[in-house]
Amino acid sequence: DTGVSQDPRHKITKRGQNVTFRCDPISEHNRLYWYRQTLGQGPEFLTYFQNEAQLEKSRLLSDRFSAERPKGSFSTLEIQRTEQGDSAMYLCASSLVAPGGETQYFGPGTRLLVL
Amino acid sequence: DQQVKQNSPSLSVQEGRISILNCDYTNSMFDYFLWYKKYPAEGPTFLISISSIKDKNEDGRFTVFLNKSAKHLSLHIVPSQPGDSAVYFCAASAVKSSYKLIFGSGTRLLVRP
Repeated sequence: DTGVSQDPRHKITKRGQNVTFRCDPISEHNRLYWYRQTLGQGPEFLTYFQNEAQLEKSRLLSDRFSAERPKGSFSTLEIQRTEQGDSAMYLCASSLVAPGGETQYFGPGTRLLVL
Repeated sequence: DQQVKQNSPSLSVQEGRISILNCDYTNSMFDYFLWYKKYPAEGPTFLISISSIKDKNEDGRFTVFLNKSAKHLSLHIVPSQPGDSAVYFCAASAVKSSYKLIFGSGTRLLVRP
C-alpha cells in the first residue's frame, strides 16, 4: 500500500505529557499538511510543508505545537504539555503540486485522548 | 465565520435512489472544490473534485455540480448503495492560500436497503 500512513493510530496520555505523531506521505508528493478534527466538525488546517520548508502555520497551532519535515520526507507533529482541549483526531495529508488544483490524500489519522 | 457550510447534518435515502448532498461557500477566492467520504475512525477518502472553470465533473456514480454565481456545489450519487453510508465533507481551496483545505461540517448519509 503506497498511501499516507500515520503512527500511532491511537494515543492516550495524561495532561502535561508530551506526545509526538509521525506521518509518512505518498513518496512522490512534495506537499504535506496537518489537520485537526474534533467531534462533529470538519478537519481544520494546522500547518503545511513544501518539501522540507514549513510555509504556513494556522493560529490554531499554539506555541506548544511544533512540526518538522526533515529532508522533505516524513513529518512529525509534537505537542508539548498536553491539555484536555488537545484531544482530537490529527490528520496528515499529502499532495503533488499541479496546475489548476491539487488533491490531498489523507492518512488514517491519530486519535489523541488527553486525560 | 464558516467559509464552507453544509447545512444538512444528515440525509437518508433508499437504496437505488439518488443522493444529493449540498454545500455553500462564501469566499469567492476559492477555485478548487473537493468531496471526501469518511468512515468512523478513518481518515477522509477523496471522492471527486471540480475546478472553478467547470460546472460539472462526473466519475462513475458520482457527479459534482458547481454554481459559481450562487456559490453552491452539490454531489449527486446515483444509484445510491448501502456502502455509500458515511459522512461526506465538502472542502474548498484557493491557489492563493496554498491550496489548504477549508472543510464544511459534514453530512451523514444513510442509504437504507
